Parts: sequence; structure tokens; C-alpha cells
Amino acid sequence: DAGVIQSPRHEVTEMGQEVTLRCKPISGHNSLFWYRQTMMRGLELLIYFNNNVPIDDSGMPEDRFSAKMPNASFSTLKIQPSEPRDSAVYFCASSPQREGPETQYFGPGTRLLVL
Amino acid sequence: AQKITQTQPGMFVQEKEAVTLDCTYDTSDQSYGLFWYKQPSSGEMIFLIYQGSYDEQNATEGRYSLNFQKARKSANLVISASQLGDSAMYFCAMREWPNTDKLIFGTGTRLQVFP
Repeated sequence: DAGVIQSPRHEVTEMGQEVTLRCKPISGHNSLFWYRQTMMRGLELLIYFNNNVPIDDSGMPEDRFSAKMPNASFSTLKIQPSEPRDSAVYFCASSPQREGPETQYFGPGTRLLVL
Repeated sequence: AQKITQTQPGMFVQEKEAVTLDCTYDTSDQSYGLFWYKQPSSGEMIFLIYQGSYDEQNATEGRYSLNFQKARKSANLVISASQLGDSAMYFCAMREWPNTDKLIFGTGTRLQVFP
């Protein structure tokens, strides 16, 4: 079975540019999560969706960040305009939504560098 | 207050020996799940093992076992018969269900297995 798919795997951009990260969750999974990992802050949840609806976006740093999930098989995380402090690894994860705390399965991550 | 605490920034173990990675958690919820993930140098997050708060038996998955002590709020990961490929960062995480689907991560422990 295909796991969570993220693209691009690496992104280098200049400050001020728009960056779009993409995620395809595991088929049949109802929940999708966007995480960011940095040395300073560790792994932190940015936003998550249940059945394509954003549930908790309290981790989104500021208005420059936005996330969408137009359908069950695709989500985007957009940064506009990007800044050097946005440099991090961005992970997408998905999980089924059943009774009980289900395991989240992570994609390979997108390593973003903003110059 | 830290919800997940991993007090060991780094651990060393000799190949074929067992090692315990510590994790304590803080929650007032009765229902929650505890997870361990492995992050090798390649960067992906690999799910290892899960323990539910109502599970009476300690979880085991191959060489991984979770030493769950509910009264002490600890969920230590035990790796038996360490292999060189076990060298990685290990993250403990908690999901407080059903209030949220968020995973809260600890700061991680870097395990180094030497021959």
C-alpha cells in the first residue's frame, strides 16, 4: 500500500516567494495533519483536518500560512510570502478516524530552505 | 507545562544489548494514546509502537516493547537486541482522545548503537 505522499521533497526558494507544499494521504484515512520540525521548536502541529474540514489551526504561525484540503486525497500548505525563519522540515501525516486514538502515519517530509 | 518529557537527550548502547528510552507524560484525561516514533538520519518518521491508556498489557512489536506504568505516567520504550540500524532519534508522543486528535511530541532521544 502507498504511504503518505509529499511533494516536493526538497524546496529552496528566496525570501518573499510563495511556497506550496502538497500532500496525498493514505487512501481511506479521514484525518490529515501538517507538522513542522525545527531544531529550536522540535515537532509542532500546524493544522489538522477531519473529513476535509479544518479542525484546529491554532498552530499556524501567522497569516502567511494557509492550508486547504479540497478533497479526501489532497491537501496543500502554502506560505506567502516566505521568510528565512520558515526553513524547516514539513511533515504531512494521516490517520483513520475510528473509535480511540489512531496511529498517525507520516510522509517523508518536505525540506524547505528559504534564503 | 511539558506534556511529554524525554529526559535523555542521548543514549549509547552496544550492539545486541537492550536499551530503555524514558518518557513521562502529563494529562488529566482518562483516555489517551501513547506512541513511539523513530526518525533515522534520512528524516522520515516511522511509527514503532502504540499503547492505549486502557490497555492492561504492555504493548510489544517485535524487538520493541513499551513499559507502561500508568500510576507513574511513564511509557518507556525498550529495544531488545539492539542493532546498528537502530541508531536514530526516538520520539515519544501522546494523543489525548477524544478531546483532540493532536499528537504532542517530546523533544526526542538520540540513540547511538555501537559495535
